[in-house]
Amino acid sequence: KAGVTQTPRYLIKTRGQQVTLSCSPISGHRSVSWYQQTPGQGLQFLFEYFSETQRNKGNFPGRFSGRQFSNSRSEMNVSTLELGDSALYLCASSPGYGQYFGPGTRLTVT
Amino acid sequence: DQQVKQNSPSLSVQEGRISILNCDYTNSMFDYFLWYKKYPAEGPTFLISISSIKDKNEDGRFTVFLNKSAKHLSLHIVPSQPGDSAVYFCAALDSGTYKYIFGTGTRLKVLA
Repeated sequence: KAGVTQTPRYLIKTRGQQVTLSCSPISGHRSVSWYQQTPGQGLQFLFEYFSETQRNKGNFPGRFSGRQFSNSRSEMNVSTLELGDSALYLCASSPGYGQYFGPGTRLTVT
Repeated sequence: DQQVKQNSPSLSVQEGRISILNCDYTNSMFDYFLWYKKYPAEGPTFLISISSIKDKNEDGRFTVFLNKSAKHLSLHIVPSQPGDSAVYFCAALDSGTYKYIFGTGTRLKVLA
């Protein structure tokens, strides 16, 4: 089976802009979660989608949003980018127990 | 409030010796635990997991121990190899909410 894929891999944006990241889960996995990784902060949970519905949400501002499509692909959107949003954004899909991560999207906000 | 804690940000071990990475948690509702390895510029890779009904799970050079009364788990790597040098994350699952909580990671360096 193909693994989790994320596009784009790298992105540079300017403060105030908005960005959309994409994630394609492993075939058959209905759960997709998003995490933000910054140095020293580990993996901070953003949200999880299951069958097109947001099932869990972390403690991030409303500028961070997501959605899941009927084919389980997911997108994450960040509006009004801030310098502090620079991070590695990871997507993980799950068949139930365990999560399988994609390579991440490195977002740099200047 | 950090529900999953990895109190050692880094660890150095000689090649061939044992590496022990520790993780503490606070939520007694967590019932499934995982360890991930992460290289720079890559996503975390699943290593090994353990259910709360067990106290040990072994897979090759990797063994995870769970002490539920102490709310503590550890990952043992024996023997350690230079290729094991990476950041290791522990994670806990609350299967009531399907939410995974990750620790902040421990950077392991195995010295040749």
